[in-house]
Amino acid sequence: ILNVEQSPQSLHVQEGDSTNFTCSFPSSNFYALHWYRWETAKSPEALFVMTLNGDEKKKGRISATLNTKEGYSYLYIKGSQPEDSATYLCALSSNTGKLIFGQGTTLQVKP
Amino acid sequence: GAGVSQSPSNKVTEKGKDVELRCDPISGHTALYWYRQRLGQGLEFLIYFQGNSAPDKSGLPSDRFSAERTGESVSTLTIQRTQQEDSAVYLCASSLDLRDTQYFGPGTRLTVL
Repeated sequence: ILNVEQSPQSLHVQEGDSTNFTCSFPSSNFYALHWYRWETAKSPEALFVMTLNGDEKKKGRISATLNTKEGYSYLYIKGSQPEDSATYLCALSSNTGKLIFGQGTTLQVKP
Repeated sequence: GAGVSQSPSNKVTEKGKDVELRCDPISGHTALYWYRQRLGQGLEFLIYFQGNSAPDKSGLPSDRFSAERTGESVSTLTIQRTQQEDSAVYLCASSLDLRDTQYFGPGTRLTVL
């Protein structure tokens, strides 16, 4: 059974700060690791999909890394902006595509 | 192009009533998933459909929950004899195929009084 843990549960930062969150999992028995951003009253938005150990992905000021051997992924936000405020979800998918989610990290960026 | 849509956006019902939630996936997407998030908990998988294959119902919490999908289009999630613990945001997602990126709808917020 895949168990996905995310930390911290919530985070408050000032505009311009850089920040990072952690997603940890006990094994590498999964197909892919996904990061989603979920803003209030909107649909969860796919950020990254990573499958290989050492994968790094970048989208603007946001980047992510994957370490399957030690069982973690980091999401980094450089120079946080108020519009980055959202809940960031990590999920593992099996071969069937079924997603197992962590509880999420809620980020609040103060202007 | 049009994304995943869900209706209704909000539903308030009384305990014991049946409810039906609808999902319209992105056109051409063969895989469709239902998830839910109860207050204070993470998103949990309920069921998925893939083409003409038998659906994976392993996440449905009880036999009061059922779902159908017509071909590769609309899906409905039905909850019979609703209970207060069924209160949650129900999310639908679709993808081109299994293991492709899933695109989520805006969700249906269900409140059972």
